[in-house]
Amino acid sequence: DIVMTQSPDSLAVSLGERATINCKSSQSVLYSSNNKNYLAWYQQKPRQPPKLLIYWASTRESGVPDRFSGSGSGTDFTLTISSLQAEDVAVYYCQQYYNTPYSFGQGTKLEIK
Amino acid sequence: QVQLVESGGGVVQPGGSLRLSCAASGFTFSTYGVHWVRQGPGKGLEWVAFIPYDGSNKYYADSVKGRFTIFRDTSKNTLYLQMNSLRVDDTAVYFCVRDGDHWIWGQGTMVTVSS
Repeated sequence: DIVMTQSPDSLAVSLGERATINCKSSQSVLYSSNNKNYLAWYQQKPRQPPKLLIYWASTRESGVPDRFSGSGSGTDFTLTISSLQAEDVAVYYCQQYYNTPYSFGQGTKLEIK
Repeated sequence: QVQLVESGGGVVQPGGSLRLSCAASGFTFSTYGVHWVRQGPGKGLEWVAFIPYDGSNKYYADSVKGRFTIFRDTSKNTLYLQMNSLRVDDTAVYFCVRDGDHWIWGQGTMVTVSS
């Protein structure tokens, strides 16, 4: 089974500053036949379902602000928020959909400093 | 637009059973695989089960294997999760999620297992 580990568990960033969340998978989620990383990032606010931000590790979902970006390949990935806004306060999860059992990171709680 | 509406949640005693439903609309249900994902109170996300578009195979998390059954009725555009031998640690919000390049989530239904 693939284990997803996020760091840090929580993060406080000032408005307008950059926020960076890391995600590491216990084995590669890069599928060699199509050169795609089966890695997604979600944002979840209280009492709401997760909202997809990024898929294929770096493809932004339609409607997601361009301050959100994803990078990385293989086993190491990063979600970056270039300029933190108040509405970005949430818990963020990475997820691998390379194979079953599909798995999520433990979550990173992002707050305003 | 794509909609997934879960129902069937409630309070059940340990050892009891419950069947969740997920009504799908806004897309061709028969051409997509569907997942169940759950989230315990104050906890993270846990994938539970997946059924492909044609129902040919079914995949389960170890934590529910042998107790839960995922199935679909294409004629009704509905996904189901039959949950038996429920335990206290099955308490969670259960989300129905459409598979694809990017997953699409329902709002969830709450299941509470308590005596």
